[in-house]
Amino acid sequence: ETGVTQTPRHLVMGMTNKKSLKCEQHLGHNAMYWYKQSAKKPLELMFVYNFKEQTENNSVPSRFSPECPNSSHLFLHLHTLQPEDSALYLCASSQGTDSNQPQHFGDGTRLSIL
Amino acid sequence: ILNVEQSPQSLHVQEGDSTNFTCSFPSSNFYALHWYRWETAKSPEALFVMTLNGDEKKKGRISATLNTKEGYSYLYIKGSQPEDSATYLCASRRASKIIFGSGTRLSIRP
Repeated sequence: ETGVTQTPRHLVMGMTNKKSLKCEQHLGHNAMYWYKQSAKKPLELMFVYNFKEQTENNSVPSRFSPECPNSSHLFLHLHTLQPEDSALYLCASSQGTDSNQPQHFGDGTRLSIL
Repeated sequence: ILNVEQSPQSLHVQEGDSTNFTCSFPSSNFYALHWYRWETAKSPEALFVMTLNGDEKKKGRISATLNTKEGYSYLYIKGSQPEDSATYLCASRRASKIIFGSGTRLSIRP
């Protein structure tokens, strides 16, 4: 029980499909994050939300569209993805975005693009 | 924040032996250094957050040191056990700017 739940755990989709990844945290945190981990690459920060406001977008292509309706939920909407988008997508949360705040991670969604 | 480098990439250690590995980060404009442990099929788990030069933190058999002037942190594991097998990640953090290293994959031989 990590306190951060991601669904689905696995997703296979075609390049023309539209799907969404969901993340929910039960820790009372105010900040939420999306990360991408491709094979043999370090974790790459994609988006940061603090109190539902986006505070960081690391030049992520527009085919990835985040949504944060409240501090407990974070979505990543996917459309017309490319094969190189196949990766593990991790969600995390923290109390705030101060530098000394550790993050709590979910188990991730393994995404495969056909 | 520029690159964060970790070495070695992988490490095989005999059970009972002690080991250490390195995280290097840009020393200019440093704010905080985070260590995580990531076991296979689980989620990354926070180990330490270090902010002050000379900081030393300990959690059971695992400890870490920080040198912000030269831009490195060491993670030490004393008396390795099979449950220590994992990938150890470090990250340099400045508010919403977070850069992770590629990790050190540690395997403990029984």
